Amino acid sequence: DTGVSQNPRHKITKRGQNVTFRCDPISEHNRLYWYRQTLGQGPEFLTYFQNEAQLEKSRLLSDRFSAERPKGSFSTLEIQRTEQGDSAMYLCASSPGFGRGINQPQHFGDGTRLSIL
Amino acid sequence: AQKITQTQPGMFVQEKEAVTLDCTYDTSDQSYGLFWYKQPSSGEMIFLIYQGSYDEQNATEGRYSLNFQKARKSANLVISASQLGDSAMYFCAMREGLIGTSYDKVIFGPGTSLSVIP
Repeated sequence: DTGVSQNPRHKITKRGQNVTFRCDPISEHNRLYWYRQTLGQGPEFLTYFQNEAQLEKSRLLSDRFSAERPKGSFSTLEIQRTEQGDSAMYLCASSPGFGRGINQPQHFGDGTRLSIL
Repeated sequence: AQKITQTQPGMFVQEKEAVTLDCTYDTSDQSYGLFWYKQPSSGEMIFLIYQGSYDEQNATEGRYSLNFQKARKSANLVISASQLGDSAMYFCAMREGLIGTSYDKVIFGPGTSLSVIP
């Protein structure tokens, strides 16, 4: 399977704990995106990378959220000191660069569902 | 500010009938792309169809077609011959970017829940 892979699929943790999610994009895609999706809403953009460079992070929800893509391949999203409001689905997507146009769809992983007790 | 509006929180359609899901968008950019995604209850986001702002023809992909009216800033999804497996959330998304730069911005609408009735 050469799609976007996210681990774990589900994470249940106590409030105040730190959590880390992993995303493995499609191998030839140089762009990687993180989104948060709450129930009944569309995905909300958090941050994105081109290769290892994080090009947009202003939408990260607070300084408790951070993301890395150290070698331009897989990425991790970390949430420190989790709060009840962090409960959501966290989606990762990847896409090629624009090439000749912005017609490249983002390919999504199945997401990590975070539940804060 | 960019915005995507999907005014139909929920829709019902009879199996084998056609259905139109509405999407309007707001942007001041001339170059942008419009996408529709399907999200079944299992949670994965599935790309359906794309329309570029400079495309003169409406996009089609199998049973999916996009009714693009640029002046009205609308990009409605039409599903023909609905099937039970079409029951899902449908999201309209807009992507802006500049070729040759790293600028890349994608926003999603709130979605429409489609239920296909046997």
